[in-house]
Amino acid sequence: DGGITQSPKYLFRKEGQNVTLSCEQNLNHDAMYWYRQDPGQGLRLIYYSQIVNDFQKGDIAEGYSVSREKKESFPLTVTSAQKNPTAFYLCATEKQGATEQYFGPGTRLTVT
Amino acid sequence: GESVGLHLPTLSVQEGDNSIINCAYSNSASDYFIWYKQESGKGPQFIIDIRSNMDKRQGQRVTVLLNKTVKHLSLQIAATQPGDSAVYFCAERSGDAGKSTFGDGTTLTVKP
Repeated sequence: DGGITQSPKYLFRKEGQNVTLSCEQNLNHDAMYWYRQDPGQGLRLIYYSQIVNDFQKGDIAEGYSVSREKKESFPLTVTSAQKNPTAFYLCATEKQGATEQYFGPGTRLTVT
Repeated sequence: GESVGLHLPTLSVQEGDNSIINCAYSNSASDYFIWYKQESGKGPQFIIDIRSNMDKRQGQRVTVLLNKTVKHLSLQIAATQPGDSAVYFCAERSGDAGKSTFGDGTTLTVKP
């Protein structure tokens, strides 16, 4: 997992509640990403940030929010507006100028 | 929109045989293509990438071939081992720095 921490590994929430997923890195990478993975499917980009205090929407940003106040941290909030939040969430980092993304171990979120 | 897809969702091979995992893409402007390996319950791990102006690139026991004419790339794994059992994703990167588009993945099962 190369210096990327996602906590917790499993998270359970009731419908209608906001929940924040943590992603911390000590790789000193500038860029950070949040992906969602549903069973049997690939990764879909939620949000990404290439520099502190700046971030961009990915392909499925609706119902999610992020912040990037520190280089090391890129928390993702799954809001009650996200219609189908149950999924496996992956955080990744990338060194500037590289193509390789380093992924964290993921957080499996279950909303009932 | 742009898409990246794999030809077969599952592939089963005998230990010691060579494996070939295929991927088709639609974006002619892709700059890089990347292969990732994801073991069960973990985040993806970078295997190899290839720049769009190359046809072939070799790594340790892996070779990636790129055919831009038919927009197809493949990952060849030599002498497949049980530890190679995983889901393999291809991804493409284009001019919008930082955004990778992932395919749905091929599950490789290695039989002893």
